[in-house]
Amino acid sequence: EVQLVESGGVVVQPGGSLRLSCAASGFTFDDYTMHWVRQVPGKGLEWVSLITWDGRNTKYADSVKGRFTLSRDNSKNSLYLQMNSLRIEDTAFYYCAKDLARLEVATYFDHWGQGTLVTVSS
Amino acid sequence: EIVLTQSPATLSLSPGERATLSCRASQSVGSYLAWYQQKPGQAPRLLIYDASYRATGIPARFSGSGSGTDFTLTISSLEPEDFAVYYCQQRSNWPRDTFGQGTKLEIK
Repeated sequence: EVQLVESGGVVVQPGGSLRLSCAASGFTFDDYTMHWVRQVPGKGLEWVSLITWDGRNTKYADSVKGRFTLSRDNSKNSLYLQMNSLRIEDTAFYYCAKDLARLEVATYFDHWGQGTLVTVSS
Repeated sequence: EIVLTQSPATLSLSPGERATLSCRASQSVGSYLAWYQQKPGQAPRLLIYDASYRATGIPARFSGSGSGTDFTLTISSLEPEDFAVYYCQQRSNWPRDTFGQGTKLEIK
């Protein structure tokens, strides 16, 4: 069974930094592109970032480019989102999500974690 | 940027009825469209990808159709567990993926 477990969400002040983690199990982690998708409570979904299965390529939404960095450790089946220069508008649930396609970038999300809440507030 | 517009915003139906949800793209996305279901307090669940392919484990009462700019998610006969929010998502101009604003399917 595929499991994705996010952690690291806390309350942080504007301008602060935070690192989210996602622990994966139940599939061959290093065969799949991984994503972060966020959702303001009660609002819609926004794709944030992806990293290819081999860690060689990353992509970011314009809203986080230059502030967020996505990385992975395939030896630990883990994904990390380093979030710097946080803004109030970054407040959201952050979901780790697995790409549908093996060794490709399909940008469809077939498994999701339960989410971790990041609150940016003074 | 491709904008996805979902309609209606809210759909009120009874169990056993047929549900038809619409997603319109501001420009063609080919068949690169997915549908997700989200229940309160839960993560989204992939239902349909590439406009018409059911994801693993998705019941046959869910079907997707369309191409270009107009897409439809149909639930043939609503079960109580189907009442949720539904989002469409396009991957045509990857990596700038976008989601629709959602349709809330509520019990009448």
